[in-house]
Amino acid sequence: AQSVSQHNHHVILSEAASLELGCNYSYGGTVNLFWYVQYPGQHLQLLLKYFSGDPLVKGIKGFEAEFIKSKFSFNLRKPSVQWSDTAEYFCAVNIGANNLFFGTGTRLTVIP
Amino acid sequence: DGGITQSPKYLFRKEGQNVTLSCEQNLNHDAMYWYRQDPGQGLRLIYYSQIVNDFQKGDIAEGYSVSREKKESFPLTVTSAQKNPTAFYLCASSLAPGMNTEAFFGQGTRLTVV
Repeated sequence: AQSVSQHNHHVILSEAASLELGCNYSYGGTVNLFWYVQYPGQHLQLLLKYFSGDPLVKGIKGFEAEFIKSKFSFNLRKPSVQWSDTAEYFCAVNIGANNLFFGTGTRLTVIP
Repeated sequence: DGGITQSPKYLFRKEGQNVTLSCEQNLNHDAMYWYRQDPGQGLRLIYYSQIVNDFQKGDIAEGYSVSREKKESFPLTVTSAQKNPTAFYLCASSLAPGMNTEAFFGQGTRLTVV
């Protein structure tokens, strides 16, 4: 069965630290990849997406992610986090036919 | 303002009662979805609809029902058959079903069954 793995359940960083959140999926065919963010009390918002082309995608608020097909990975990165980045982050994979699978989420806490 | 509206934000119901969660979108999207979010489990698909008058079961459809009589609306009924209904429910929509499309989410309804 297809699945999405987010290895970090809770990450705590100080402001200005660099961030990398892991995401791996298990599907061998064509995929669309997403990172969504859920700020406290708010709805899920799209951070960035990959459909095709350049495997390094840039999203909002300084986030980027790299699709590495050989590793089935789509890790999220940010060089310097801010307190306002405190949120829950979800990786998602679309394999078509309305099959959008989500990871279990990573809670990020940024300490000022 | 275009978007997805879920109501109510918080809902309390007694065990054994059916309850209907509302989801409306004015984005002119064809596809709509219902997810359930539980701590540590991410989002799991309950039902989805690609077009009006059509819907399909997702991974955890048991104890739930939906209808899609209008393009804008996709209500979810949590029935008394759902063994563990207390959860956070998210509605989403996308322009079209399938690949190369992103999902937009509502603010969610937190259902508590007592």
